Amino acid sequence: SQQGEEDPQALSIQEGENATMNCSYKTSINNLQWYRQNSGRGLVHLILIRSNEREKHSGRLRVTLDTSKKSSSLLITASRAADTASYFCATVPGGTSYGKLTFGQGTILTVHP
Amino acid sequence: EPEVTQTPSHQVTQMGQEVILRCVPISNHLYFYWYRQILGQKVEFLVSFYNNEISEKSEIFDDQFSVERPDGSNFTLKIRSTKLEDSAMYFCASSPGGQNQPQHFGDGTRLSIL
Repeated sequence: SQQGEEDPQALSIQEGENATMNCSYKTSINNLQWYRQNSGRGLVHLILIRSNEREKHSGRLRVTLDTSKKSSSLLITASRAADTASYFCATVPGGTSYGKLTFGQGTILTVHP
Repeated sequence: EPEVTQTPSHQVTQMGQEVILRCVPISNHLYFYWYRQILGQKVEFLVSFYNNEISEKSEIFDDQFSVERPDGSNFTLKIRSTKLEDSAMYFCASSPGGQNQPQHFGDGTRLSIL
């Protein structure tokens, strides 16, 4: 797999359910970020987790990072129809970097009302 | 809330023509980026720009591409002689810091090469 691969590729759930998306990467990272993209729009930053952090919360979002497994997960609790979007993980490489993001293919989340 | 703005939203150009995509980053940000997303593919990094010079660039960013910050507000991406494979969505982003700061993206310019 390539750097920043998400699974599943598509996820369909009912409003109120939780949504979990996973991301794997291959090289060492400085941090991992999650972004959301609504159709036809730009990417919106959701959360950033540094390589020395294991878990981070922001509202209904929970992100975990396991650097030993080179993987991360994004949990959206109590999903809403407005959460329908594509979700991408992106990594910033370890070492000197000016913030170059390497994106995964993304997970398309559909939340049915 | 301040946002990154990109113009035009859609650009149609004949192959071989030069095109300039424009971006106005958030005013107090210091780092600027261009990414592109070919239909159905991943978002790909093109270039980062800091302190009035290119700080990183990808293999995609060859001699046909250039970036400029001509004044205190605009950040442009120029493609000198467009090819069919340059058709993509181009996103500009800016960040207040470098690697440990989130990036703020514009809504993109859809570039169609005929």
